[in-house]
Amino acid sequence: DSGVTQTPKHLITATGQRVTLRCSPRSGDLSVYWYQQSLDQGLQFLIHYYNGEERAKGNILERFSAQQFPDLHSELNLSSLELGDSALYFCASSVDAGNTEAFFGQGTRLTVV
Amino acid sequence: AQSVTQLDSQVPVFEEAPVELRCNYSSSVSVYLFWYVQYPNQGLQLLLKYLSGSTLVKGINGFEAEFNKSQTSFHLRKPSVHISDTAEYFCAVSAQTGANNLFFGTGTRLTVIP
Repeated sequence: DSGVTQTPKHLITATGQRVTLRCSPRSGDLSVYWYQQSLDQGLQFLIHYYNGEERAKGNILERFSAQQFPDLHSELNLSSLELGDSALYFCASSVDAGNTEAFFGQGTRLTVV
Repeated sequence: AQSVTQLDSQVPVFEEAPVELRCNYSSSVSVYLFWYVQYPNQGLQLLLKYLSGSTLVKGINGFEAEFNKSQTSFHLRKPSVHISDTAEYFCAVSAQTGANNLFFGTGTRLTVIP
């Protein structure tokens, strides 16, 4: 158990819908990273938050957004969903913004039908 | 930006045999290097990391990796594999400064044959 909690574990939704994925980092970790794992694109970085502020953006679509709340949990919002958004979405946390060791959650498997 | 190449998508090996999973990286800045393992339907678990110092790093489950700066490589090795080592292995890098998210390779599927 990494200490990073992601909910829900599985999500099935229709095209055009909006979903919210939730991540609770390890106790004491200030950084939260979101990654997408898909068969065709592999593991790709989406976005990084540190202590409530956005620090870096990767290949995140405009239809996707994220935030980190004062209690340090984070949410990834995916809207106008397309079939190609089906993937495993991982959250990782680390103590600081240096990312010398990131701990990954079990992921949320999103299926868009 | 950084990139990672894992040359072998699949590596079958017999139980108790040695294994090497290859990883090469490209970066214009200094990087940290990592190997992660992913078991079926699970998240990523850190096997080992290179931050600085000795180029030979030891990790969990008997794995080790050697950082070779001149060849920009960070190959993962284990002298004797077990059935339980069957999993997907990912090599990753992150910049030491600035945006420090992980860049992952495409993964190597290690299958240990009884």
